Amino acid sequence: KAGVTQTPRYLIKTRGQQVTLSCSPISGHRSVSWYQQTPGQGLQFLFEYFSETQRNKGNFPGRFSGRQFSNSRSEMNVSTLELGDSALYLCASSSRWPGELFFGEGSRLTVL
Amino acid sequence: AQSVSQHNHHVILSEAASLELGCNYSYGGTVNLFWYVQYPGQHLQLLLKYFSGDPLVKGIKGFEAEFIKSKFSFNLRKPSVQWSDTAEYFCAVNARGSARQLTFGSGTQLTVLP
Repeated sequence: KAGVTQTPRYLIKTRGQQVTLSCSPISGHRSVSWYQQTPGQGLQFLFEYFSETQRNKGNFPGRFSGRQFSNSRSEMNVSTLELGDSALYLCASSSRWPGELFFGEGSRLTVL
Repeated sequence: AQSVSQHNHHVILSEAASLELGCNYSYGGTVNLFWYVQYPGQHLQLLLKYFSGDPLVKGIKGFEAEFIKSKFSFNLRKPSVQWSDTAEYFCAVNARGSARQLTFGSGTQLTVLP
């Protein structure tokens, strides 16, 4: 069974640009969550989608957004990039809850 | 809102030593508790979880954790560590009945010397 797949794995952007990250969950998983991981703040919850609906959002500015498609694949978008957005963005999928979150390897974003 | 504290930021042990990593959370209600591990260059993986029942839970690779409700703690233990246990360990909490949102601790880097 394939795991959670995130693309791209690495990307470099400049301040003011916008970025879109993609996540394909494990087949059959309808919930997709996104987390930001930085050395200073650790792992922080961004948002969670279930059946194309955002069910919960973390404490991030409106520049951070996401969506989920009918096949459960998800994208997150960050507009007007700032230096502080440099981070590893992790996607996780799950089937039942409470249960296990299955994480992808992440997309490492560097903002110059 | 929940918060999680991992007091040990970096732990260095020799092989065969015993391990205990501390995790305390702050939340007044019922919680689901997790320990995740991130090996170098790999994705986060679940070590073990506690939802209810026996407060002593066993996970993969010989790890176990004990939930002590009165102390709001969920410490991770392993009787004898191996070099391959070198990794970063994260404790996480989810408020029971809430969305699928985990609040993570800041992580503990474990280095095991051969």
